[in-house]
Amino acid sequence: QSALTQPPSASGSPGQSVTISCTGTSSDVGGYNYVSWYQQHPGKAPKLMIYEVSKRPSGVPDRFSGSKSGNTASLTVSGLQAEDEADYYCSSYGGSDNVLFGGGTKLTVL
Amino acid sequence: EVYLLESGGGLVQPGGSLRLSCVASGFTFSSLAMSWVRQAPGKGLEWVSSISGSSGSTYYADSVKGRFTISRDNSKSTVYLQMNSLRAEDTAVYFCAKHIPHKKAFDIWGQGTMVTVSS
Repeated sequence: QSALTQPPSASGSPGQSVTISCTGTSSDVGGYNYVSWYQQHPGKAPKLMIYEVSKRPSGVPDRFSGSKSGNTASLTVSGLQAEDEADYYCSSYGGSDNVLFGGGTKLTVL
Repeated sequence: EVYLLESGGGLVQPGGSLRLSCVASGFTFSSLAMSWVRQAPGKGLEWVSSISGSSGSTYYADSVKGRFTISRDNSKSTVYLQMNSLRAEDTAVYFCAKHIPHKKAFDIWGQGTMVTVSS
């Protein structure tokens, strides 16, 4: 199965909102409500930011939100802060106990 | 404190073998599924393998099927990844990750262990 498709980069100024897309197929993103988003700072382990499309784990600021329409999921970061600058990866259940990741999006806070 | 700690990485020649370990602490290990996820240098994340908590059912990415074996020892709160017939393209940081039950998401990650396959 192919990886999910994300834009390689995104950017925004402090205080602004930015949305990152994640496109799959009806066999993964569109077929299940098991989309997750991970934040990764350089040299660090990934951190879960969103699971089941739009749920936030305890401790994740409500500036982070997720949604899905058809085969495309989205992560929106509102009120951008300097510490939000990182790589973001989407993930989806792909059926047959497979997990797919997107190629990653580098978010730059201008 | 909840954490995962990987070990066992290193330099290995193509065709060689390596076994990674991941020790868990701070949660009920035996009931939870665990996965290995890797990241090649400068690249994105790739799911490698998962093992269920109770039945020990195992699942693999096509890229490693037949070469890698995931296992667990619940008495030691440890999950393993036996890697055989290693290739240059297996070079990556290997992360151990804990599943959120029934949510297909990973909420706890280890710091990773580097595997380099080179002659």
